[in-house]
Amino acid sequence: RKEVEQDPGPFNVPEGATVAFNCTYSNSASQSFFWYRQDCRKEPKLLMSVYSSGNEDGRFTAQLNRASQYISLLIRDSKLSDSATYLCVVNLVGGSQGNLIFGKGTKLSVKP
Amino acid sequence: SQTIHQWPATLVQPVGSPLSLECTVEGTSNPNLYWYRQAAGRGLQLLFYSVGIGQISSEVPQNLSASRPQDRQFILSSKKLLLSDSGFYLCAWGDSPLHFGNGTRLTVT
Repeated sequence: RKEVEQDPGPFNVPEGATVAFNCTYSNSASQSFFWYRQDCRKEPKLLMSVYSSGNEDGRFTAQLNRASQYISLLIRDSKLSDSATYLCVVNLVGGSQGNLIFGKGTKLSVKP
Repeated sequence: SQTIHQWPATLVQPVGSPLSLECTVEGTSNPNLYWYRQAAGRGLQLLFYSVGIGQISSEVPQNLSASRPQDRQFILSSKKLLLSDSGFYLCAWGDSPLHFGNGTRLTVT
């Protein structure tokens, strides 16, 4: 089983749509969770951290389900500028540094 | 505020040639530094990380090496590039989360 798995995508949605991305992780000891956004041919940028109680930042909502080892990202009222690849990232506890595990990403394309 | 600089932005090198990519961080002391590679259609792969000067940990065996000659400088090198070394190389600093440089797109021909 892969350490971090994401929806395969791509997601093609119209402007204004609500879209949800899912991510599962295999290591139950994982402690920190993040969503990154990566534009085409650019570096990944932190979108938001994911907290146990769930958190919201404007049109973006992240949720964590530790029992199911599952995190999600919900985007409401999609904008053209939301088109990007969204990476799910999990931080493993203990061991060496460099414990961040990146998913392969889900590509979102918002159309007019 | 902290900034990270990575260069060059793009690079085309023949097979068998050497490689040197440089990354520097400003605005912080003794940062954790990382080199990642993202091949076409694949996820981010951690290559090296460093928790201090001269301290390098390698995650994947390959023909690449890394060095940290100064606190805020991280260098990725190769003596002889392979075709499979083509990809998008990203330097990052931090712990959790990470902050990435702009990346170097390397094409080995």
